[in-house]
Amino acid sequence: SQQGEEDPQALSIQEGENATMNCSYKTSINNLQWYRQNSGRGLVHLILIRSNEREKHSGRLRVTLDTSKKSSSLLITASRAADTASYFCATDAFTGANSKLTFGKGITLSVRP
Amino acid sequence: DTAVSQTPKYLVTQMGNDKSIKCEQNLGHDTMYWYKQDSKKFLKIMFSYNNKELIINETVPNRFSPKSPDKAHLNLHINSLELGDSAVYFCASSHLGPWGSYEQYFGPGTRLTVT
Repeated sequence: SQQGEEDPQALSIQEGENATMNCSYKTSINNLQWYRQNSGRGLVHLILIRSNEREKHSGRLRVTLDTSKKSSSLLITASRAADTASYFCATDAFTGANSKLTFGKGITLSVRP
Repeated sequence: DTAVSQTPKYLVTQMGNDKSIKCEQNLGHDTMYWYKQDSKKFLKIMFSYNNKELIINETVPNRFSPKSPDKAHLNLHINSLELGDSAVYFCASSHLGPWGSYEQYFGPGTRLTVT
């Protein structure tokens, strides 16, 4: 069954604005990861946040994790046209060799120049 | 240098045929994966291999047979292809640790079209 559910499904913003994307999940997790997929390409890892962490930053990206609400958010600040892509959250609920990522349906972000 | 590579990039074939997709990673990772992404972009894990050993098999029809000749390679063979097999297949690799998987590195994908 699907673990992560992103919200909204699609987001259109102007260049320079901030983009906030949310992800909710159902079961306890070890870590949560965000990925970006440009059209026709493979997924690219953005950030990994562990269940004992609440916030992480990477350049213009900020990820928060609230395990009590089983939710995460990805904030992209000062968006650029090049940020146009699909964004996926993925949860890892298992340990060791049984570890696997369960992906949400993705959010389509369009950044208008 | 390409970290995770897949061949072919495109594959068009008829129903009933058998085809293979190859994947190679040069990152030194111990775990490799196959994912299927459908037309709605939903990405689902199919298999994972850790140190050449099959670990995860996610209720995939037995027409799909993965094979890992060594830690750097993971191939996917599909028998008797069906229309519903049309999708983009991604290979990925990562390290595994006590906290689960680290970041996964994805290949460019193989777009399979079954006619």
